[in-house]
Amino acid sequence: IQLTQSPSSLSASVGDRVTITCRASQGISNYLAWYQQKPGKAPKLLIYAASTLQSGVPSRFSGSGSGTDFTLTISSLQPEDFATYYCQQLNSYPLTFGGGTKVEIK
Amino acid sequence: QVQLVQSGAEVKKPGASVKVSCKASGYTFTGHYMHWVRQAPGQGLEWMGWINPNSGVTNYAQNFQGRVTMTRDTSISTAYMELSRLTSDDTAVYYCAKSSKNRSSSPFDYWGQGTLVTVSS
Repeated sequence: IQLTQSPSSLSASVGDRVTITCRASQGISNYLAWYQQKPGKAPKLLIYAASTLQSGVPSRFSGSGSGTDFTLTISSLQPEDFATYYCQQLNSYPLTFGGGTKVEIK
Repeated sequence: QVQLVQSGAEVKKPGASVKVSCKASGYTFTGHYMHWVRQAPGQGLEWMGWINPNSGVTNYAQNFQGRVTMTRDTSISTAYMELSRLTSDDTAVYYCAKSSKNRSSSPFDYWGQGTLVTVSS
């Protein structure tokens, strides 16, 4: 299953609302997770089951979608949110990740 | 607190093998699948496979079939990933990551710090 993220990069300011989309090449129900990765660090789980917030993750992060179309939204971008975000499907093997969306400072 | 601590960076010649370790602590090692994911320089994430630490059963991505071997030693709560017949395309950071539940399809809630493997003649 291929996951296509868009955009591949974006520039935004602190306080902006940011939306990242992830489209699956076939239906994956809600077997989708989102990760945040900062340079030189391992990915961090943000959201699983498409919309469930991982423990300890700020509530400004939210996820939605089912089937083939999913979104990750950051309601008010904070300085620590500048990073690359990946979606991952857990519906079928091989498990796959999207190509990533790099969120940069405007 | 959950920790996954990986072995240090490696430099290997083409055709060689590399074995990366991942020592787990802070949770029941045999209760969660361990996955391996790699990331080439400046690139995205690529899933390699998983091992069930309880049974030793493995599931490898087709891209790595025949070249990867995942094992574990439950006595020291450590998982291993060995990759053989290395080429320059295998230069990457290799991560271990545990499943959040006792299901192979659970998301990855904790990751190791990564191990850089460089393949160069």
